[in-house]
Amino acid sequence: KAGVTQTPRYLIKTRGQQVTLSCSPISGHRSVSWYQQTPGQGLQFLFEYFSETQRNKGNFPGRFSGRQFSNSRSEMNVSTLELGDSALYLCASSLEGLAPDTQYFGPGTRLTVL
Amino acid sequence: AQKITQTQPGMFVQEKEAVTLDCTYDTSDPSYGLFWYKQPSSGEMIFLIYQGSYDQQNATEGRYSLNFQKARKSANLVISASQLGDSAMYFCAMRDSGGGADGLTFGKGTHLIIQP
Repeated sequence: KAGVTQTPRYLIKTRGQQVTLSCSPISGHRSVSWYQQTPGQGLQFLFEYFSETQRNKGNFPGRFSGRQFSNSRSEMNVSTLELGDSALYLCASSLEGLAPDTQYFGPGTRLTVL
Repeated sequence: AQKITQTQPGMFVQEKEAVTLDCTYDTSDPSYGLFWYKQPSSGEMIFLIYQGSYDQQNATEGRYSLNFQKARKSANLVISASQLGDSAMYFCAMRDSGGGADGLTFGKGTHLIIQP
């Protein structure tokens, strides 16, 4: 069974631009979560989608948004990029998104904002 | 609010030795799940092992075992017979039974280096 895939793997953008990241979950998984990883803040939860609905949201500004499609694939969008948005963005999928479901992570998208 | 504390920023261990990575947690929810992930330099988070708060026995997965001490709110990862390929960042994480309003809560991680 294929794992979680994320595209693109690397991105370089400039301040003020917007970016869209994509995540394809493991087949059969209906929950997709997004995390931001930075050296200073560590791993922080962005949001979780289940059945095309945002179920949970972390403490991030409205510039960060996402959506989920009927095939469970998910995208996240960051508008008006800031230097501090440079990070590794990790997507994780799980069956239903509830404990004790295990979240399986993709390889991440490394975003650099110049 | 949930909190995970990993007190060892870095560890050097000789190959073939056993390793214990510390993790303490805090939550007010009586039902929760604890996870350990490995993150090599490539960046991907690899799931290692899971322990539920009501599990009576400590979880084991191959060379990985979880030393779960509920009263002490501790969930240490034990790696037996360490290998060079075990060199990576290791993260302890938790989520409460309700799904967790904040997704998985992670610790700061431990950077493990296995020396030949």
